Amino acid sequence: SQQGEEDPQALSIQEGENATMNCSYKTSINNLQWYRQNSGRGLVHLILIRSNEREKHSGRLRVTLDTSKKSSSLLITASRAADTASYFCATWGSTGANNLFFGTGTRLTVIP
Amino acid sequence: DTGVSQDPRHKITKRGQNVTFRCDPISEHNRLYWYRQTLGQGPEFLTYFQNEAQLEKSRLLSDRFSAERPKGSFSTLEIQRTEQGDSAMYLCASSFQGGMTEAFFGQGTRLTVV
Repeated sequence: SQQGEEDPQALSIQEGENATMNCSYKTSINNLQWYRQNSGRGLVHLILIRSNEREKHSGRLRVTLDTSKKSSSLLITASRAADTASYFCATWGSTGANNLFFGTGTRLTVIP
Repeated sequence: DTGVSQDPRHKITKRGQNVTFRCDPISEHNRLYWYRQTLGQGPEFLTYFQNEAQLEKSRLLSDRFSAERPKGSFSTLEIQRTEQGDSAMYLCASSFQGGMTEAFFGQGTRLTVV
């Protein structure tokens, strides 16, 4: 089964608005990553946040991590039509199987 | 070397046939991963290699699935006796040794079993 669950499953906003996606996971992690996937294409890495970090920024992206709640959020500010894609969180476990496990994804649609 | 390359991009096969997909990772990367993704779902981990060693294969979906990375460079994923339920996108990714870093994905191979 997948490690993470994203919420909401789908999100539709107007261009220029902010988009927030949430991710919950189940086990202790080394780090959490966010990826974007355009329809029918491969995944592109966006940002990585380590378990000892609480917030990270990259351009219009802001990621937060709350290890006590086993949750993360991805904020995209000033959205653009080109941001339309599926967004996935993925986690590296801190123990056990050393692999990157993905959540179910949020489908973001930005309306021009 | 501009990224992870997968071949073919699309494959249509008849049920019961065998198929093989190829992945060429980024040359500096020691780790290589295979994932399967069905429509509307996130990538599902299948197996991974560190150099030529296959370190995790318990998540391969059945004994019809096998993967190799004979020289620690490119990898192949084979599905024998394909079934309609095997229709999916098969993704390959690679990363630096140590693993807990970002993974770089190929464009995937879309398999359709008819």
